[in-house]
Amino acid sequence: EPEVTQTPSHQVTQMGQEVILRCVPISNHLYFYWYRQILGQKVEFLVSFYNNEISEKSEIFDDQFSVERPDGSNFTLKIRSTKLEDSAMYFCASNAEGDRYEQYFGPGTRLTVT
Amino acid sequence: GESVGLHLPTLSVQEGDNSIINCAYSNSASDYFIWYKQESGKGPQFIIDIRSNMDKRQGQRVTVLLNKTVKHLSLQIAATQPGDSAVYFCAEIGAGGYNKLIFGAGTRLAVHP
Repeated sequence: EPEVTQTPSHQVTQMGQEVILRCVPISNHLYFYWYRQILGQKVEFLVSFYNNEISEKSEIFDDQFSVERPDGSNFTLKIRSTKLEDSAMYFCASNAEGDRYEQYFGPGTRLTVT
Repeated sequence: GESVGLHLPTLSVQEGDNSIINCAYSNSASDYFIWYKQESGKGPQFIIDIRSNMDKRQGQRVTVLLNKTVKHLSLQIAATQPGDSAVYFCAEIGAGGYNKLIFGAGTRLAVHP
């Protein structure tokens, strides 16, 4: 069964450093998303991406965040200058055109900012 | 504003019993709701969905009920098994048409043998 994959599974970085979280969505999917989950809290929407552009973003997704689909398979989330409060699980998700509401989530990347 | 919340943070049940997990939402314009299951160390996994023009939908061992009058959503799991132990989130599709999921706070289901 196809699945969303994410790398790395765990990233430790120092405050102020740049990080790139990587995702490979399911191959025929057209809608891509990033969500985050701070430990013990609910999952929060960050950004949605369709047709090579951001379609919606949350207040969390400020100028320090960016997304990119550099090729036909990868979808990345970059945080330019990490803060302690960026520590969280980051989930990538995707869905197909004909199945717009069933988003498939990856296993997540745990980001720890020290 | 848009918000989805849960009544109980933890639910403990005996194996074989039925479980009911509840959720309240505040946006009366929401027209699509989804239940996700999240096991420890994993991403949310789609369980079942329901549109606002329905009041009940059944899947395999799961039933979702929607009461639009009181803006309440529930997930019923029949014959709960140890493998059902997880955190369950309700979510709604937010306004804007781009499939932004708005998650509730989550309920932890603990199944005891």
